[in-house]
Amino acid sequence: EAGVTQFPSHSVIEKGQTVTLRCDPISGHDNLYWYRRVMGKEIKFLLHFVKESKQDESGMPNNRFLAERTGGTYSTLKVQPAELEDSGVYFCASSSGLAGGPLQFFGPGTRLTVL
Amino acid sequence: GEDVEQSLFLSVREGDSSVINCTYTDSSSTYLYWYKQEPGAGLQLLTYIFSNMDMKQDQRLTVLLNKKDKHLSLRIADTQTGDSAIYFCAEKPPGYSTLTFGKGTMLLVSP
Repeated sequence: EAGVTQFPSHSVIEKGQTVTLRCDPISGHDNLYWYRRVMGKEIKFLLHFVKESKQDESGMPNNRFLAERTGGTYSTLKVQPAELEDSGVYFCASSSGLAGGPLQFFGPGTRLTVL
Repeated sequence: GEDVEQSLFLSVREGDSSVINCTYTDSSSTYLYWYKQEPGAGLQLLTYIFSNMDMKQDQRLTVLLNKKDKHLSLRIADTQTGDSAIYFCAEKPPGYSTLTFGKGTMLLVSP
């Protein structure tokens, strides 16, 4: 069974540009999460989808971040315009079961560098 | 909000046991997790425990929970160089979607 996949693995962009990250969850997992780790800090929750609906987006830092999950399969996270403080590793995770389930399985992450 | 604290660095010799510690502040029933991140890789779920348990063992891994002190530890027996990685402690109450992570403990295993 394929795990959570993320694309790209690395992205280097200039301040003010737009970047779109993609996550493909484990097949059949209704729950999809985005997390972010800024260098030296904790991994922080961004948002949670149940199928195509946003269940919890309390961790989204500001309106420059837009997450979508059309059709309830893969998800995209767009940052527009990117700022220097957006640099970090963006992780996607998925899980099955109600209330998010106890186990979240993570992808390899996308390392975003904003210059 | 919840806080999860970990020591940042641990160095051991190959063959020794490693003990990575974590404290959490959530007072309700909760799941507690250990994730491993190898260089250039994603987060791998190693093991987890529910807060009504004291201990869980899985091959070389032993998780101990002191619920009174809200202290969680991960013991790795016969540590190998391949165990070198960052280990993250995390917790999540049942019914909640958010994992709360510590900053991670970098384990360095020398030959």
